[in-house]
Amino acid sequence: AQSVTQLDSQVPVFEEAPVELRCNYSSSVSVYLFWYVQYPNQGLQLLLKYLSGSTLVESINGFEAEFNKSQTSFHLRKPSVHISDTAEYFCAVVNTGFQKLVFGTGTRLLVSP
Amino acid sequence: NAGVTQTPKFRILKIGQSMTLQCTQDMNHNYMYWYRQDPGMGLKLIYYSVGAGITDKGEVPNGYNVSRSTTEDFPLRLELAAPSQTSVYFCASSPDRVSGNTIYFGEGSWLTVV
Repeated sequence: AQSVTQLDSQVPVFEEAPVELRCNYSSSVSVYLFWYVQYPNQGLQLLLKYLSGSTLVESINGFEAEFNKSQTSFHLRKPSVHISDTAEYFCAVVNTGFQKLVFGTGTRLLVSP
Repeated sequence: NAGVTQTPKFRILKIGQSMTLQCTQDMNHNYMYWYRQDPGMGLKLIYYSVGAGITDKGEVPNGYNVSRSTTEDFPLRLELAAPSQTSVYFCASSPDRVSGNTIYFGEGSWLTVV
């Protein structure tokens, strides 16, 4: 079975600073990886996903994540954050031959002026 | 396009009461899921379904039941509500295996058991 670890439960940063949200996964087989964002009192929205091909994937709002197979990581980065990026971010993994998405415990990104 | 719709959005239950969380999707997706979200615990899979008439347990099925009589609907039943079931519940759907296709989430149902 696969699992996901998000070591940071909360990451406080100042506006316009860079940020990295860490995600490590464990699986004995190939996986697909996802980052979801949850704004307060809302459902989850897909931010970006890695299925195959280029190991660097980008979202439309400036986030990017890089799949690193040797380190079993899929860290999320943004070079300059905005107040509006304040939200909870979930990393998720699914076994390529399976249908159940497994989530990490989430990282709360707090952006202050 | 409504996507995944959950009702009710908020509900307070007394211990021992029963209720059903409704979930419907209008995307003709085969796969549907119920997750619960607890602070600091991420999302845990309760039940899932790969098509009408087929359901299976996830990580935390105890205290819940589901049915899938149609492609569109996947209700979650709590028979004897307990305080441990206080949580936020998310229904989700996907066209098939979560591979090249995205899983779509509803907006959540906040349930408090007192």
